[in-house]
Amino acid sequence: DSGVTQTPKHLITATGQRVTLRCSPRSGDLSVYWYQQSLDQGLQFLIQYYNGEERAKGNILERFSAQQFPDLHSELNLSSLELGDSALYFCASSVAPGDLYEQYFGPGTRLTVT
Amino acid sequence: GENVEQHPSTLSVQEGDSAVIKCTYSDSASNYFPWYKQELGKRPQLIIDIRSNVGEKKDQRIAVTLNKTAKHFSLHITETQPEDSAVYFCAARTVNYGGSQGNLIFGKGTKLSVKP
Repeated sequence: DSGVTQTPKHLITATGQRVTLRCSPRSGDLSVYWYQQSLDQGLQFLIQYYNGEERAKGNILERFSAQQFPDLHSELNLSSLELGDSALYFCASSVAPGDLYEQYFGPGTRLTVT
Repeated sequence: GENVEQHPSTLSVQEGDSAVIKCTYSDSASNYFPWYKQELGKRPQLIIDIRSNVGEKKDQRIAVTLNKTAKHFSLHITETQPEDSAVYFCAARTVNYGGSQGNLIFGKGTKLSVKP
């Protein structure tokens, strides 16, 4: 158990819908990262937050947005869902940005869009 | 931007043999290279990493080598055991303009099967 929690574990929804994925980082970690893992694209970095502020952006679609709240939990919002959005979404956390600090991954949320 | 290629996509070895997974990266400014292991249905976990000022790093049965000139790095697992069976991902951390650290760019993974 990495100490990072994600809810829900599984999510099944229809195309066009909107969902929110939630992540609670390890105690003491200020940085949160979101990744998308699909069979054909592997692990893709989406976005990073540090202490409530957006720190870095990767291949995140405009239909997706995220935020980190004052209590440091983070939410990833996916809207106008398409079949291709079906994937495993991981959240990771670290004490701070940078490679001196290991990223600990949560268990993931499996999203299925039908 | 950075691009990380990983080979092979699948690898099957006999228990006790060695396994080697290779990655190449495109951005010569990348300076940090972690390896993650992901068992079926579980989260990725960091198993070893190397920074660009080091050529080799070893931790028990696993080692990573880095060739900055050729822009490739490799994971070596010796004396493989069935519990080594998993998907292994390499990654490279980019460096932003101005020198700040960028994101981790992952390879597409290698599925390692160790047959008893």
